Amino acid sequence: SAVISQKPSRDICQRGTSLTIQCQVDSQVTMMFWYRQQPGQSLTLIATANQGSEATYESGFVIDKFPISRPNLTFSTLTVSNMSPEDSSIYLCSVETDIEQFFGPGTRLTVL
Amino acid sequence: GQQLNQSPQSMFIQEGEDVSMNCTSSSIFNTWLWYKQDPGEGPVLLIALYKAGELTSNGRLTAQFGITRKDSFLNISASIPSDVGIYFCAAVSGTYKYIFGTGTRLKVLA
Repeated sequence: SAVISQKPSRDICQRGTSLTIQCQVDSQVTMMFWYRQQPGQSLTLIATANQGSEATYESGFVIDKFPISRPNLTFSTLTVSNMSPEDSSIYLCSVETDIEQFFGPGTRLTVL
Repeated sequence: GQQLNQSPQSMFIQEGEDVSMNCTSSSIFNTWLWYKQDPGEGPVLLIALYKAGELTSNGRLTAQFGITRKDSFLNISASIPSDVGIYFCAAVSGTYKYIFGTGTRLKVLA
């Protein structure tokens, strides 16, 4: 298993601003994932982040809107850029070990 | 595209009752996972299934990997109030490709 922490746990932001979410893992992992969970919905994968390479984005998500960094094997950041109220959601990072995926506690974002 | 259908979408049950939920797909998968998400938290892995027909237990939870590899079931026996939450199934397709179900919202009445 893996212990994952996220910062901030929640935030309220103004339209047009950007927020960077941090994800820290207690062990080195190859793959990290970023998900979005809109209110009452399931999890939607935003992108997969490999250390040392560009993140791979899912259909409907672009790097300009959700830039991702993966500077080492235990850390990643997701930035939600130029936010609008539609970006209000829970953002979750996760890691995979042995075909099992473990999630962080999530960042609850509200955009006014 | 691939999708997982979970049922029921939500359920209210009395404390002490057994609960069953399932997850189905039109596609074949090699791994099925069941998660529980409490309010304000990230999903927590409950059970992982790796072989068709596999039946695995974790305390009061039992999950099965369907023989056709297109479905999975989760049972909770003797439910208690802390079982409340959203239960998600997930299936793994290919490398690092996880697909999540729509979720089953469980509410337990004391």
